Amino acid sequence: GAVVSQHPSWVICKSGTSVKIECRSLDFQATTMFWYRQFPKQSLMLMATSNEGSKATYEQGVEKDKFLINHASLTLSTLTVTSAHPEDSSFYICSARPGLAGGRVPDTQYFGPGTRLTVL
Amino acid sequence: AQRVTQPEKLLSVFKGAPVELKCNYSYSGSPELFWYVQYSRQRLQLLLRHISRESIKGFTADLNKGETSFHLKKPFAQEEDSAMYYCAPENNAGGTSYGKLTFGQGTILTVHP
Repeated sequence: GAVVSQHPSWVICKSGTSVKIECRSLDFQATTMFWYRQFPKQSLMLMATSNEGSKATYEQGVEKDKFLINHASLTLSTLTVTSAHPEDSSFYICSARPGLAGGRVPDTQYFGPGTRLTVL
Repeated sequence: AQRVTQPEKLLSVFKGAPVELKCNYSYSGSPELFWYVQYSRQRLQLLLRHISRESIKGFTADLNKGETSFHLKKPFAQEEDSAMYYCAPENNAGGTSYGKLTFGQGTILTVHP
């Protein structure tokens, strides 16, 4: 099946530092990647949509200067949490959506395993 | 606003019993509808999508446009079906929202032996 990886799987950082999370589609090309946030015992909340080579589209209420998204290639998107604070502690999940030539079922999102961020 | 309601946060059944996980949606246009599943300590994965009209692991889901529902059903639940299930309509209307999923709150299904 289609594989999406995230790195790191967990990270602990001090308040005020920045943290970068990578999302990679390992065996297909992803024209679109999505970033979600999940609080404990809650559903996934979409943060932003990232299309390769263009600026990310952020959901209402998500600070684009706080959560920097870069989608530089068809297999890699990064989420940088800048000047992280304890309230940013959460589980961040990415998904990748192949295009028609991506070699996978198009219009299906394949999810990464998530990254647990803890800000002290 | 797009909204997905999964009224049962927790659902418990015994092995072999029928199970139905409810999903109602309020969505503009005609979204594509998905059910995603997350087994313990595993990532979220696609269970089934309406357009495929397939039965995956014995699960089916019927779209009722009049009631705007997409309930997930299985006639005989198995212990390995215990997981978190999410209903998710997808925006397929084009534009910057194309492909976006809106997740329900999820239903934790527990199948007892």
